Amino acid sequence: DTEVTQTPKHLVMGMTNKKSLKCEQHMGHRAMYWYKQKAKKPPELMFVYSYEKLSINESVPSRFSPECPNSSLLNLHLHALQPEDSALYLCASSPQTGVLDTDTQYFGPGTRLTVL
Amino acid sequence: AQTVTQSQPEMSVQEAETVTLSCTYDTSENNYYLFWYKQPPSRQMILVIRQEAYKQQNATENRFSVNFQKAAKSFSLKISDSQLGDTAMYFCAFRAGAQKLVFGQGTRLTINP
Repeated sequence: DTEVTQTPKHLVMGMTNKKSLKCEQHMGHRAMYWYKQKAKKPPELMFVYSYEKLSINESVPSRFSPECPNSSLLNLHLHALQPEDSALYLCASSPQTGVLDTDTQYFGPGTRLTVL
Repeated sequence: AQTVTQSQPEMSVQEAETVTLSCTYDTSENNYYLFWYKQPPSRQMILVIRQEAYKQQNATENRFSVNFQKAAKSFSLKISDSQLGDTAMYFCAFRAGAQKLVFGQGTRLTINP
């Protein structure tokens, strides 16, 4: 089973709202990722969690706040977003095996976010 | 820094035809993985095929196969007997070690009935 689930599928929020995106995997993967994808563009990496610790933050604005409560769950808390933050937000996970960590990322279906 | 280039922004073929998507990359690493991901209009990013750089044999998954030319740093995807469900954006991606996944800009493939 290579399933990563994400909720909600769609989210519309105002610039003053606080909302959260949720990602879950039950494959025993130890690395989890958040990506942002604009239309017709490749995904852009935002954050990486490795063994539940934040290992990469790609200089993402503080209005995006990731959280990894346990090895299966990854949240992205949103606050005071801008209209240009409207995008598809993808979650991914990978086994993270060995030193090289050249393993495969499996993606969830994404959350389509619209900021009004 | 690694870069991935997909030189074909869009392609269109008839159903049942064979189509090849191009991908080139630039790296100084010797050990790495290459991937093709498919993203249909439903937007889920689906792994199509992957290739380990240390393997000389080209990877194959049913109708999907790659032509991996390590010296030329080329990694093309061949889709045989194309089907309407193959219509999607295809991304070539590269990853070495603990570094992040680097994507190409994508090729939008349309299969026409």
